[in-house]
Amino acid sequence: DVKVTQSSRYLVKRTGEKVFLECVQDMDHENMFWYRQDPGLGLRLIYFSYDVKMKEKGDIPEGYSVSREKKERFSLILESASTNQTSMYLCASSSPPSGGTNEQFFGPGTRLTVL
Amino acid sequence: DAKTTQPPSMDCAEGRAANLPCNHSTISGNEYVYWYRQIHSQGPQYIIHGLKNNETNEMASLIITEDRKSSTLILPHATLRDTAVYYCIVRPLNTGNQFYFGTGTSLTVIP
Repeated sequence: DVKVTQSSRYLVKRTGEKVFLECVQDMDHENMFWYRQDPGLGLRLIYFSYDVKMKEKGDIPEGYSVSREKKERFSLILESASTNQTSMYLCASSSPPSGGTNEQFFGPGTRLTVL
Repeated sequence: DAKTTQPPSMDCAEGRAANLPCNHSTISGNEYVYWYRQIHSQGPQYIIHGLKNNETNEMASLIITEDRKSSTLILPHATLRDTAVYYCIVRPLNTGNQFYFGTGTSLTVIP
């Protein structure tokens, strides 16, 4: 089975701190995604990547950056955490559009609280 | 991607079929209907997808109307573990882009 793991389930940080959220997938997927989920707003895409060292902005990239140095790892970086970045962060991966169901496989999520 | 409309919440008795509706009246010819669910404190989980024919797998059945403007996800024998938020999404198959999750339907299976 595809496995997508995230480095932490729960994280508490202070305003202004630099925060790294790590995501690793074990199915050699080209595509990886970072979402945040907030009550009443559903999942919103922050950044995604189609390949190593490649990144594309999603719908809400402000205040975030990403890094994809290896195919299996996609990192989300909060350069200077703010309280409005308190949220559930979900990582996902998928196979290329030309194959399979194109379904996305999600990690368990990281609940980040910024104080 | 086409917009979908789902009821915000539903209840279902344990052991009965749960029928979750979704309206997608602006769906395009190349867009598939996907269903995901999210159990509390977990990431979303893929359930099923289809284009125009009805589909069935080990988790659920998907019934798509002939005009493709609506669909129904059927969980044939709901269990307490099926309590979750269910998302209906429409998007083209051949794209690597994200899935647009709305707010979904919160299904509660009652003992």
